[in-house]
Amino acid sequence: GAVVSQHPSWVICKSGTSVKIECRSLDFQATTMFWYRQFPKQSLMLMATSNEGSKATYEQGVEKDKFLINHASLTLSTLTVTSAHPEDSSFYICSARDDPFFYEQYFGPGTRLTVT
Amino acid sequence: GQNIDQPTEMTATEGAIVQINCTYQTSGFNGLFWYQQHAGEAPTFLSYNVLDGLEEKGRFSSFLSRSKGYSYLLLKELQMKDSASYLCAVRGGSGNTPLVFGKGTRLSVIA
Repeated sequence: GAVVSQHPSWVICKSGTSVKIECRSLDFQATTMFWYRQFPKQSLMLMATSNEGSKATYEQGVEKDKFLINHASLTLSTLTVTSAHPEDSSFYICSARDDPFFYEQYFGPGTRLTVT
Repeated sequence: GQNIDQPTEMTATEGAIVQINCTYQTSGFNGLFWYQQHAGEAPTFLSYNVLDGLEEKGRFSSFLSRSKGYSYLLLKELQMKDSASYLCAVRGGSGNTPLVFGKGTRLSVIA
């Protein structure tokens, strides 16, 4: 099956700094990747849809200037949390499809971000 | 808008059968998915329904009624390792729309 990786798997940073999370599709090309955020005991909340070579589409309430998404190639999308605050601490999960009309979304293993 | 409801928690006994229900209201419908998620891990795909009826896959089955906006996930012969959160997700609209998740049902399997 298709594999999606994320790096790092966990990160601790200080308040005010920026953190970059990478999402890679290892054995397929993903024209679209999705970024989700999950707080403890909550479900996955879609943050944005990332399309290769174009600007990301953000969900309502998600600050695009704070959560910078770059989908520079068909196998890599990055999420940068800028000027992180403790309330940004969460589990960030990316997901990708290899075909926009195929049903399955493949999920990465997630990145645990803790902002101190 | 989109609304997906499922029970918050359920408890069942090892070896038993449990049914987790999901109701949804979405603008457009292009499939309903069930995922399993263990704490601290990413979701793993369990099943997909786009037409009415029952889809069976080993110990897991999923049912869909589009007219009722209703689905359930049936787990048979429960094992301790089945203790996890089960997420109902809907793909609305068409084309490249993302999955929208319900809040998940935390299932505890007890001896």
